[in-house]
Amino acid sequence: DAKTTQPPSMDCAEGRAANLPCNHSTISGNEYVYWYRQIHSQGPQYIIHGLKNNETNEMASLIITEDRKSSTLILPHATLRDTAVYYCIVGSSNTGKLIFGQGTTLQVKP
Amino acid sequence: NAGVMQNPRHLVRRRGQEARLRCSPMKGHSHVYWYRQLPEEGLKFMVYLQKENIIDESGMPKERFSAEFPKEGPSILRIQQVVRGDSAAYFCASSYRDKNTEAFFGQGTRLTVV
Repeated sequence: DAKTTQPPSMDCAEGRAANLPCNHSTISGNEYVYWYRQIHSQGPQYIIHGLKNNETNEMASLIITEDRKSSTLILPHATLRDTAVYYCIVGSSNTGKLIFGQGTTLQVKP
Repeated sequence: NAGVMQNPRHLVRRRGQEARLRCSPMKGHSHVYWYRQLPEEGLKFMVYLQKENIIDESGMPKERFSAEFPKEGPSILRIQQVVRGDSAAYFCASSYRDKNTEAFFGQGTRLTVV
């Protein structure tokens, strides 16, 4: 499974866009990029996933570079409730198990 | 459509007792995953099950831990003869197919061994 690299922490002002980067230079052709977040000690929450094309849903946008070696999760208008640990995960090509790294702790400040 | 349901939410066991954690996947989901999160650490994959089958147990400790997902009823993670080091949050996730799709997590069971 491909490994991901994320900054350990980031700050964002409330109401501004939060851009969370992720490097996954060893990703293989059929592996998806997933983003989850964990608010405090709750269960992880699915945000978005994609293969090649950029994706958008009601929560966020996912921008994947053309070479697929990196991606960016965008929360367009961050709120205090978006403070969480954000995990970028490259999905196993064989099963749906998720290998969580340390993630990025996003702190949204008033 | 109810989400992934885990119970109990909190479980206290004395050393040497057995702990049984239950997970009811979302309706229509036949793939279940268990993860463990030790205090101040990240989530670690434990086991992946489909109905009546263990597909991947590469993250399960070799002893005292077992998991099942019977044809009827919830998935069960069983820990025998618990020790203090088993104290953790145990999360279950489910998905409707085996890969390339999102997984939905329950709120977890917090196990405390005293």
